[in-house]
Amino acid sequence: AQTVTQSQPEMSVQEAETVTLSCTYDTSENNYYLFWYKQPPSRQMILVIRQEAYKQQNATENRFSVNFQKAAKSFSLKISDSQLGDTAMYFCAFRNYGGSQGNLIFGKGTKLSVKP
Amino acid sequence: EAQVTQNPRYLITVTGKKLTVTCSQNMNHEYMSWYRQDPGLGLRQIYYSMNVEVTDKGDVPEGYKVSRKEKRNFPLILESPSPNQTSLYFCASSPVGGDFWSPLHFGNGTRLTVT
Repeated sequence: AQTVTQSQPEMSVQEAETVTLSCTYDTSENNYYLFWYKQPPSRQMILVIRQEAYKQQNATENRFSVNFQKAAKSFSLKISDSQLGDTAMYFCAFRNYGGSQGNLIFGKGTKLSVKP
Repeated sequence: EAQVTQNPRYLITVTGKKLTVTCSQNMNHEYMSWYRQDPGLGLRQIYYSMNVEVTDKGDVPEGYKVSRKEKRNFPLILESPSPNQTSLYFCASSPVGGDFWSPLHFGNGTRLTVT
């Protein structure tokens, strides 16, 4: 069974600085997708960034980027120029490619606080 | 507007009183799923459905039922709620097959308290 591990329950960063949230996963599959979701205090689930396993190039979305290491099964999220609005829970998630195994499996989350 | 609609947003009930949390999506998605979110445990899947009349258990199905009679609706039923089912519940949907790349669309959540 696939598992997703986020080893940092809580983190804090000063506004405008850079922070990296870690995520590791375990799977025997070769084709899959990885996601980072953000959950602000409003509790809405918001997609931050996604990565296809067969793509070696790391995904980037504005201030958000990932460091995807397939062999190490690692998928960390880097937030540059942190803003107060980045304060939220961040969940790493894994999804197999297709079939009945296409469920999204979440890590336990990292609570990020951005301090002024 | 494309959305997943959950109702109610908040619900307080007593042990043993049957309840249903509704979920509806207007995007013609085949895949729908229910999660519960608890502090320190992340989101855990309860049940999922790959299409109409096709449902399967997730990681924590005990005490829950679902049905998928129509593509757009995927209600979550608690026949005899207990206090350990107090949680934040999310419904989500997405296309299937080659569109698994598509992210899940989430509802706004239902905060359930069972006393």
